[in-house]
Amino acid sequence: DSGVTQTPKHLITATGQRVTLRCSPRSGDLSVYWYQQSLDQGLQFLIQYYNGEERAKGNILERFSAQQFPDLHSELNLSSLELGDSALYFCASSGGGRSEQYFGPGTRLTVT
Amino acid sequence: QKEVEQDPGPLSVPEGAIVSLNCTYSNSAFQYFMWYRQYSRKGPELLMYTYSSGNKEDGRFTAQVDKSSKYISLFIRDSQPSDSATYLCAMIYGAGNMLTFGGGTRLMVKP
Repeated sequence: DSGVTQTPKHLITATGQRVTLRCSPRSGDLSVYWYQQSLDQGLQFLIQYYNGEERAKGNILERFSAQQFPDLHSELNLSSLELGDSALYFCASSGGGRSEQYFGPGTRLTVT
Repeated sequence: QKEVEQDPGPLSVPEGAIVSLNCTYSNSAFQYFMWYRQYSRKGPELLMYTYSSGNKEDGRFTAQVDKSSKYISLFIRDSQPSDSATYLCAMIYGAGNMLTFGGGTRLMVKP
């Protein structure tokens, strides 16, 4: 168990809908990272938050947004969903000035 | 060309074999190197973490980094069927940065 939790485990929704994925980092970790894993693209970095502030952006679509709350949990919002958004979404956390990132169990999103 | 290249496999070996998994990278700015194990699309599990050229050993696992050749390896000794998984190499510029992953190598260890 990495100490990173994610909910829900699985989401099934229709095209055009909006969903919210939730992540709680390991105790004490201030950085949260979101990654997308699809069959054809592998694991791709989406966005990073550090202590409530956006720190870095990767190949994140404009339809996607995220935030980190004062209790350090983070939410990833996906809107106007398309079939191609079906993927595994992972969050990871790090802290203490260390480089290692610990991943949660992921949310499997299926868009039909 | 991808920043991090990894043979996708699958790599099939008999139980007890020594397994060698490799990645090459193009960006010399990467300073820290990690290996993750991922079972059946579960969350990646951190196996090894290194930041300098040379070897690092942890039980049956040895991570090797050659920064001059931009090449990293993970060796698994006495492989077990429970080692069957996808192994992902990952690299990072420094603490607080994003990870850049290889595509993963699928390993199958047959009893």
